[in-house]
Amino acid sequence: SQQGEEDPQALSIQEGENATMNCSYKTSINNLQWYRQNSGRGLVHLILIRSNEREKHSGRLRVTLDTSKKSSSLLITASRAADTASYFCATDANDYKLSFGAGTTVTVRA
Amino acid sequence: SQTIHQWPATLVQPVGSPLSLECTVEGTSNPNLYWYRQAAGRGLQLLFYSVGIGQISSEVPQNLSASRPQDRQFILSSKKLLLSDSGFYLCACPKGVAGAGSEQYFGPGTRLTVT
Repeated sequence: SQQGEEDPQALSIQEGENATMNCSYKTSINNLQWYRQNSGRGLVHLILIRSNEREKHSGRLRVTLDTSKKSSSLLITASRAADTASYFCATDANDYKLSFGAGTTVTVRA
Repeated sequence: SQTIHQWPATLVQPVGSPLSLECTVEGTSNPNLYWYRQAAGRGLQLLFYSVGIGQISSEVPQNLSASRPQDRQFILSSKKLLLSDSGFYLCACPKGVAGAGSEQYFGPGTRLTVT
């Protein structure tokens, strides 16, 4: 079953703007991960944040985690056309499996 | 780092026909392996996972089965395809030796259309 739910479902921004998407989940987690999927391709891991971390950065990506609200956000700064993709959060509830949300589709307009 | 191969890349099959999708992994040994299905515009649904040769855990009762005949080979099968089996099938394994909670590498996927 899908535990993570992304919001919004779709996002359209101008090149150079920031893109923010959110993920909510239902049960306690070990960590939360964000993935990117370009159209028709496999998923690529972007960043992992552990349950005892609140914020993490990787290049133009910033992820926050609020375990009290069971939510996470992914911020992409200074977006580029190449950032056009679907973004998924995935939660690990301390077993062998990840639960993926339905994703946010981001379109960056030139 | 691991590399995951999947084939075929695309497949069009009639309802009632059999299915065999293959996934092989390079760059690691005895990895956990996962099969996911993604419906159009949707997230990933975990179908099967395996923690070792011959060991399969099924997440969703359905028309599909999985097998792991070798350490780095994972096969998804069906005896008779249904229209609802259409989708994008992805194979994945964790980074490094760790199992639970690791970031996952994904293969390029197989696009299955059942007609």
